[in-house]
Amino acid sequence: AQSVTQPDIHITVSEGASLELRCNYSYGATPYLFWYVQSPGQGLQLLLKYFSGDTLVQGIKGFEAEFKRSQSSFNLRKPSVHWSDAAEYFCAVGAGNKLTFGGGTRVLVKP
Amino acid sequence: NAGVTQTPKFRVLKTGQSMTLLCAQDMNHEYMYWYRQDPGMGLRLIHYSVGEGTTAKGEVPDGYNVSRLKKQNFLLGLESAAPSQTSVYFCASSRQGSLITDTQYFGPGTRLTVL
Repeated sequence: AQSVTQPDIHITVSEGASLELRCNYSYGATPYLFWYVQSPGQGLQLLLKYFSGDTLVQGIKGFEAEFKRSQSSFNLRKPSVHWSDAAEYFCAVGAGNKLTFGGGTRVLVKP
Repeated sequence: NAGVTQTPKFRVLKTGQSMTLLCAQDMNHEYMYWYRQDPGMGLRLIHYSVGEGTTAKGEVPDGYNVSRLKKQNFLLGLESAAPSQTSVYFCASSRQGSLITDTQYFGPGTRLTVL
């Protein structure tokens, strides 16, 4: 069965600084990988997804993620964070029509 | 388009009480899902439906029942609520079930507390 680990429960970053969120997955075949964001009081919104091809994936809101098969990782990055990026971020791996989510990383943005 | 809506937004139950959560989508999606979100555990799939009249179990189905009598609605029922069911419940829908071509759209959630 697939699983996802997000090692960082909380991250605090200054506005304008870069952000990297870690995600490690376990899956026997080629994974389908996703990053979702959940703003306070809201449902989840898809940021980006990877299925095949270029291992660097561009998403919405200036986010990108890089798939590294050798490290079983799919880390999310943003070069310069905005206060509106304060949210909880979830990595997920997909199989069939089902998603398995990691525990999430909560991002706090300092002025 | 309202997208995916959930009713109610908040609810407090006593142990043993029953309730039904309603999810509605206006995107004509075939697939609908119910998840629960607990701190540090991400979202876990409770039940899902691949079309009107069909339902299937997800990862954590015990203590819950579902029905999809109409394509646009997906109901989640708790027959006898337990404190372990205190959680935030999210509904989602997708056009078909393909993770490659489709996107799951999520509702705003229902926060349920069982005392």
